Amino acid sequence: EDQVTQSPEALRLQEGESSSLNCSYTVSGLRGLFWYRQDPGKGPEFLFTLYSAGEEKEKERLKATLTKKESFLHITAPKPEDSATYLCAVQAKANFGNEKLTFGTGTRLTIIP
Amino acid sequence: EAQVTQNPRYLITVTGKKLTVTCSQNMNHEYMSWYRQDPGLGLRQIYYSMNVEVTDKGDVPEGYKVSRKEKRNFPLILESPSPNQTSLYFCASSLRRNSNQPQHFGDGTRLSIL
Repeated sequence: EDQVTQSPEALRLQEGESSSLNCSYTVSGLRGLFWYRQDPGKGPEFLFTLYSAGEEKEKERLKATLTKKESFLHITAPKPEDSATYLCAVQAKANFGNEKLTFGTGTRLTIIP
Repeated sequence: EAQVTQNPRYLITVTGKKLTVTCSQNMNHEYMSWYRQDPGLGLRQIYYSMNVEVTDKGDVPEGYKVSRKEKRNFPLILESPSPNQTSLYFCASSLRRNSNQPQHFGDGTRLSIL
């Protein structure tokens, strides 16, 4: 069974204080690992897809990296507007046409001005 | 604007009263899916559809039905809602299977079944 575990559950940072969020996964053949951002009262908003170990992607203050067992979302010099819940999800090769995402429970990030 | 639209956004109802949550996308996506989000459990897939008239069960399909008569719409039907279906529901869509395109999510429907 595919499984995603995110840590920490919640993280409070001062504005400008860099940190990393962790996503550990087990999956029967990884097709893709996804990072989403979710704001209160909104649906998940796509950030990145990573496909193979060693891959990295960047967007503004965010950088996502991938190994064979985990992914990290690094946030550099965060601003209050980066406050949100960050969700990690995996997609397995063996789902035969089902694009199902298996999600972790998220990390709630709060950036204090 | 490309979007996935769900209605209603909020609903409080009683056990056994049939309800439908609508989902519509304007991106000509073939694949659509329903998830529910519960505290401590993350998002879990309820049903999915690979194209018109093609639907199948996800991980938690009990108590739900879906239909896909048109490409843009994918309603979620609760024939006889029960309190354990109180949850936050999300509809998602993507271009087609194996397209490596990300799924786009609606803004959610919060259902409370009393």
